[in-house]
Amino acid sequence: DAKTTQPNSMESNEEEPVHLPCNHSTISGTDYIHWYRQLPSQGPEYVIHGLTSNVNNRMASLAIAEDRKSSTLILHRATLRDAAVYYCILRDVIPRGGAQKLVFGQGTRLTINP
Amino acid sequence: DSGVTQTPKHLITATGQRVTLRCSPRSGDLSVYWYQQSLDQGLQFLIQYYNGEERAKGNILERFSAQQFPDLHSELNLSSLELGDSALYFCASSAQMNTEAFFGQGTRLTVV
Repeated sequence: DAKTTQPNSMESNEEEPVHLPCNHSTISGTDYIHWYRQLPSQGPEYVIHGLTSNVNNRMASLAIAEDRKSSTLILHRATLRDAAVYYCILRDVIPRGGAQKLVFGQGTRLTINP
Repeated sequence: DSGVTQTPKHLITATGQRVTLRCSPRSGDLSVYWYQQSLDQGLQFLIQYYNGEERAKGNILERFSAQQFPDLHSELNLSSLELGDSALYFCASSAQMNTEAFFGQGTRLTVV
């Protein structure tokens, strides 16, 4: 499985934008970039995913580098409820051997200051 | 509410015992995943099923087994329990194997 690298932790202030980076230099052409987050005492929650173009949804934006070796999850206006561990995950669109693992790394622990 | 239901929410049992954790996926989802999260540890992928068939295995111990039934619900069986098996166990489901996954609230297992 292609690997992702994220900072262990980041800190930001409430109502400011947050940019969470992810490096994935060994990404393959069929890998989608997925982001999940885990709020304290809860199960992980899907945030967003993309392949090549930048993506927006109600929760966040995903900016993907032109060479796809890195991406950035953007929270446009952080709230205290956005404090969570954010995971960047690569998922191959083609099931290899009939399998589609969803493997989490260590993620980035985001702290939001009031 | 993700639509994924896990029961029980909490479970306390003794070492050496066997327990069964249950997961009801979102309506129509064919793929089910199981994860273990120990205190201060990341999410460890255990196993994945798709439409009743095992499709991927992670770091699942031989003492652990799982299955997905015809109605698509899944059970994770943990036997010969040890103190180190105390953890949160999450189930997730997705419509297909490569679509976004939705997680349940987890079962907190405490082995004493």
